[in-house]
Amino acid sequence: SQTIHQWPATLVQPVGSPLSLECTVEGTSNPNLYWYRQAAGRGLQLLFYSVGIGQISSEVPQNLSASRPQDRQFILSSKKLLLSDSGFYLCAWSEAPGARNQPQHFGDGTRLSIL
Amino acid sequence: EDQVTQSPEALRLQEGESSSLNCSYTVSGLRGLFWYRQDPGKGPEFLFTLYSAGEEKEKERLKATLTKKESFLHITAPKPEDSATYLCAVQANTPLVFGKGTRLSVIA
Repeated sequence: SQTIHQWPATLVQPVGSPLSLECTVEGTSNPNLYWYRQAAGRGLQLLFYSVGIGQISSEVPQNLSASRPQDRQFILSSKKLLLSDSGFYLCAWSEAPGARNQPQHFGDGTRLSIL
Repeated sequence: EDQVTQSPEALRLQEGESSSLNCSYTVSGLRGLFWYRQDPGKGPEFLFTLYSAGEEKEKERLKATLTKKESFLHITAPKPEDSATYLCAVQANTPLVFGKGTRLSVIA
């Protein structure tokens, strides 16, 4: 069966520091991968998605970047964190869409607090 | 622009008191509607996918239905362990668009 791992679970960082969040998927090949941010009282906001190694699409302009160095590895980064980057970050994967779109499956998230 | 509106924002039920959650959507060319359950501090857990109007899916005390403009998540005889936030999401030719969710509390 497929599993998704995200780490760390919680992170407290000072303003201006760098960031690296990692997500890996097991039990599948060539998945679509996604990074979301969930703010309190708001829906999930898609930040980046990837359909293959080195292929990254950005949904919103922001202080963050994403990379996919391996088939089942997705990394969210920042060179200098802002207070507004605080939130709950979720990684997700799905099978590549065929005739019908497939559901996304989420990790347990990283709670990021910027001080 | 694709939009998803969930109602109510919060729902409090007594154990055994059946009810429904609503997900209204506007999207051009629906390719899937997804229901998720999210517990505090956790990622969303996939429940159902619905692809076309008239389709229904069931799992234990939950039943999801779909029309051309909305979806309902029916909860029959809920238990306290059904307490969670339930999220609806739609997909057309763009990545998933999520609603803000309905926070369900089931009181024993």
